[in-house]
Formats: sequence, structure tokens, C-alpha cells
Amino acid sequence: DIVMTQSPDSLAVSLGERATINCKSSQNILYGSSNKNYLAWYQQKPGQPPKLLITWASSRESGVPDRFSGSGSGTDFTLTISSLQAEDVAVYYCQQYYSSPPAFGQGTRLEIK
Amino acid sequence: QITLKESGPTVVKPTQTLTLTCTFSGFSLSTSGVGVGWIRQPPGKALEWLALIYWDDDKRYRPSLKSRLTITKDTSKNQVILTMTNMDPEDTATYYCAHSRYSSGPRWFDPWGQGTLVTVSS
Repeated sequence: DIVMTQSPDSLAVSLGERATINCKSSQNILYGSSNKNYLAWYQQKPGQPPKLLITWASSRESGVPDRFSGSGSGTDFTLTISSLQAEDVAVYYCQQYYSSPPAFGQGTRLEIK
Repeated sequence: QITLKESGPTVVKPTQTLTLTCTFSGFSLSTSGVGVGWIRQPPGKALEWLALIYWDDDKRYRPSLKSRLTITKDTSKNQVILTMTNMDPEDTATYYCAHSRYSSGPRWFDPWGQGTLVTVSS
């Protein structure tokens, strides 16, 4: 099974500053024939279910602010929030869908410094 | 607009069987490529995928829990049911159902229901 590991576990960033969250998969999740990385990012605010932000490692869902971006390939991925807003306080999860069972990272808690 | 809602008991006793129902709207589980998954989250902990069922009745389970899980669908009622046997206090969690798809493999989960907190306690 593929294991997803996020770093750091928690992160405090000042408003307006950049936040960077990393996600590493135990196996390559780049599908060669399509050149697509099978990785999604979610945001979970307190008391709410997860919300899908990004698919295919870098494709933002409709309605997601463009300050959120995803990058990386193969086994190493990054979620970047270019200018942190107060409403971005949440726990962020990555998820691989390259193979079954689908697997989530342990989450990264993002707070305001 | 796709919506999902979980229902079931809020408290179960150890060794009992948990039955949760996901009632959804905005899509049909008879449509090719569509799936519904269950994911749980212990208090303060990470998300853990449990099971998936697809339009063609293909079922997938978390390997470590496979012997305890059963997922079924009632297409006419727009419902997916998850049963988990031999409940333990460590199974205390918020249980979510979510819409998914299948296209040569699993996909992401979107959207999710609001979740239902299940506490296992005597």
C-alpha cells in the first residue's frame, strides 16, 4: 500500500505571508502514459468536512482562490498558499488515488502566527 | 448539486455492529463511473479511508478492516449502507460518506457529507 507522509505536522505563518506544506508518497504516483500525478489536496476547517482544493497535483477546483497552488511530481508534492488569509486556518490533507487503497496523509495544521 | 448525509446511531456498545446509511442526491449510483466512499476521522486525528462502492457493484475495502466491513447500495433509494462488526472504543470517530468516481482506478472524494460522530462505549 502507498503511504502518504506530510510535513510539517503544524505550521504557523503570518497573515499575508507564504505557507508551504509538503507531501511525500512512498511510491511513485506519476502515471507514465498520461503524465499525470494522482494526488489531491483537501482543506478541513474546524467542525467541517474536508473540502477538495486540488486534483492531479496542480489542478485547482472551481471556486478555489488562486492563492492556492499545487506542485510536484513522482513522490514529492507541495501545497502553497501564496498570501495567507485568516480564513485559510485549517488542517490540510493530501491523498493519493494512484492505486487502491486510496490513502491520506496525516494532515498539516496551519495557524496564524 | 450533489449532497450526501450520513445517519445512524451516535453510541454503540463494544462488540456491537454499527450500521450507517448515506443518503445522497444530485447523482445516481447506476451511472457509469460513479462511486460512494466512507472515510472516518477519530477525534483530533487524520482521515482514514474505509470502503468504496461503485456503480457496477464493485466493492473495495481497507485491507486491515476488510473482515469487519460490508458496503452495499440501494440504487432505488439513493442510499449506501456501511456495516462494521465487532465495534471497539478505538472505532470512535466521525464517519463521512463522499461522492467519488472510477476511471481506470480510484479518484478523489468530492463532495463530502457533514459526517456523523459515533462513540463506542459501554
